[in-house]
Amino acid sequence: GAGVSQSPSNKVTEKGKDVELRCDPISGHTALYWYRQSLGQGLEFLIYFQGNSAPDKSGLPSDRFSAERTGGSVSTLTIQRTQQEDSAVYLCASSYRRGTGELFFGEGSRLTVL
Amino acid sequence: RKEVEQDPGPFNVPEGATVAFNCTYSNSASQSFFWYRQDCRKEPKLLMSVYSSGNEDGRFTAQLNRASQYISLLIRDSKLSDSATYLCVVNPPSNNDMRFGAGTRLTVKP
Repeated sequence: GAGVSQSPSNKVTEKGKDVELRCDPISGHTALYWYRQSLGQGLEFLIYFQGNSAPDKSGLPSDRFSAERTGGSVSTLTIQRTQQEDSAVYLCASSYRRGTGELFFGEGSRLTVL
Repeated sequence: RKEVEQDPGPFNVPEGATVAFNCTYSNSASQSFFWYRQDCRKEPKLLMSVYSSGNEDGRFTAQLNRASQYISLLIRDSKLSDSATYLCVVNPPSNNDMRFGAGTRLTVKP
């Protein structure tokens, strides 16, 4: 498909385990964003990648969270030693370039930490 | 103060009604503004950009008031299919990210 692809769509894990969430953006999109959305809440910015520039990590809530983007395409968000408060939907979005306004979102990865 | 604030609603309106949402933002230097729509348990999708002069797309009208730092969305002749959460989005110039409001929930009833 031509859209943003995220996996897994659902992940249930035990407190203290590490998880990896994957995002495959639309081909040719240089900007990639990670957000998380807790139940009934708005989108919380986590991290932003633009081309080969250093990522903007200002939204990462703690050092348990990290992300990388390999080859300017696929991105992986890693959460170490998960906590119950990490439970949320993690949304990835890409855009052709920063500031255009049209972010194309994946369907998200729903994380539940027991 | 949150960077982007919206009335969470819910707004419950009958079909055919006109409804308006406001959104305020804190960074006066923000340049780009948008409305996104998010259906229940779905990802957000761009509804429309908001231009300085105001803009219209069918039944939807968006306006920007820089002096008061708010943007608005007006929906005329509401349809059942308009039921969704409407997210206000602002792109502050000093940040790389797009800042989302918490959303306003709209339910259109028969």
